[in-house]
Amino acid sequence: EVQLVESGGGLVQPGGSLRLSCAASGFTFNYYMHWVRQAPGKGLVWVSDINTDGTITNYADSVKGRFTISRDNAKSTLYLQMNSLRAEDTALYFCVRSRGETAFDIWGQGTMVTVSS
Amino acid sequence: QSALTQPPSASGSPGQSVTISCTGTSSDVGGYNYVSWYQQHPGKAPKLLIYEVSKRPSGVPGRFSGSKSGNTASLTVSGLQAEDEADYYCSSYAGSNIVFGTGTKVTVL
Repeated sequence: EVQLVESGGGLVQPGGSLRLSCAASGFTFNYYMHWVRQAPGKGLVWVSDINTDGTITNYADSVKGRFTISRDNAKSTLYLQMNSLRAEDTALYFCVRSRGETAFDIWGQGTMVTVSS
Repeated sequence: QSALTQPPSASGSPGQSVTISCTGTSSDVGGYNYVSWYQQHPGKAPKLLIYEVSKRPSGVPGRFSGSKSGNTASLTVSGLQAEDEADYYCSSYAGSNIVFGTGTKVTVL
């Protein structure tokens, strides 16, 4: 079964850090991968993406300089290092596979990040 | 990186059709044929319905169709069914980033 399983979410204070992980299974991990977030009761927001070998990364302006996406192809795992967290980063974070660069065809169930004092 | 504009809500009776618009700019929707559409039921992850404006992944019923004219893309759901009641989001490539729409809640009357 093709599957993405996120982990690493939790409650963190403003200014703190978290590292999200996403374990892929059921397919060869040579796809563009993304993180997409959704604040409670709000819409979807693209956060970041990474190409198949990890050499090209892109970020939404709202997280640029604070978040870092990376991947370990040997472990079929995607990561998101989140630093200097703000209250507005509170959201459910989805790990997503894309066909090509833009069609998000496989989604994880998400991991919740709450930034609060 | 402003969100694409969608109507907040749309509705139709079973068997009818509903069309959802997704308006952007020449820097996103109008500039690329990389518009996708997603369906999200409450508490669930989104599901890909349409990619590259009008292509359907295998397993997606043919009553879901997509199109684009200028800076506006559209999703049409024909023959509405009860299970189509959900939130729908468009997205577009915008040159090194991807932007989502504001979302539309579809109600089946």
